[in-house]
Amino acid sequence: DQQVKQNSPSLSVQEGRISILNCDYTNSMFDYFLWYKKYPAEGPTFLISISSIKDKNEDGRFTVFLNKSAKHLSLHIVPSQPGDSAVYFCAASDRTSSGSARQLTFGSGTQLTVLP
Amino acid sequence: DTEVTQTPKHLVMGMTNKKSLKCEQHMGHRAMYWYKQKAKKPPELMFVYSYEKLSINESVPSRFSPECPNSSLLNLHLHALQPEDSALYLCASSQDLSGDGYTFGSGTRLTVV
Repeated sequence: DQQVKQNSPSLSVQEGRISILNCDYTNSMFDYFLWYKKYPAEGPTFLISISSIKDKNEDGRFTVFLNKSAKHLSLHIVPSQPGDSAVYFCAASDRTSSGSARQLTFGSGTQLTVLP
Repeated sequence: DTEVTQTPKHLVMGMTNKKSLKCEQHMGHRAMYWYKQKAKKPPELMFVYSYEKLSINESVPSRFSPECPNSSLLNLHLHALQPEDSALYLCASSQDLSGDGYTFGSGTRLTVV
């Protein structure tokens, strides 16, 4: 059972326009959400995060929105640039059973292609 | 230093070999993790170490053996692997209870022949 879902495997956007990547989750214990960008054969690079006590977090061209009631979050990239082309993973975090660490559950990723 | 460093970057090993993957961070993080990522799939959690103690083992086969010698180092010992174990192995670290600072290394690309 997938606890974190990214239902769009791919998205193509024109340069300068807005990219919207979506993510849904089912586990109400998740209290922290992160977006990572990943190039092939590299580790995920942290982009932006949001705590469950907020509904919006903004960092430059990246904004993450969280709708707790719908268990939905989205990443907006404005304006999109060709260098943004990569796989974007949504990740949800909860504490481990010992309460002393955090584990991430990843969505399946969305390949974003920004066309020049 | 805000990085998680993994070595080697690439590793090819035979099914009878013994090898180790290494991970190092100097951010004072007290939780460290091993993830496995197959092509076109999301990273999957393997092990969690918290304050140098094994906190979670996600039913990983015993041919993978983690070790945390100190708060900055995390090893993954490999023995008698199978070709299907070929993947990108990612190390991550985080501050213990905060969601901030969850940082991944660039991974070790492992090929088992």
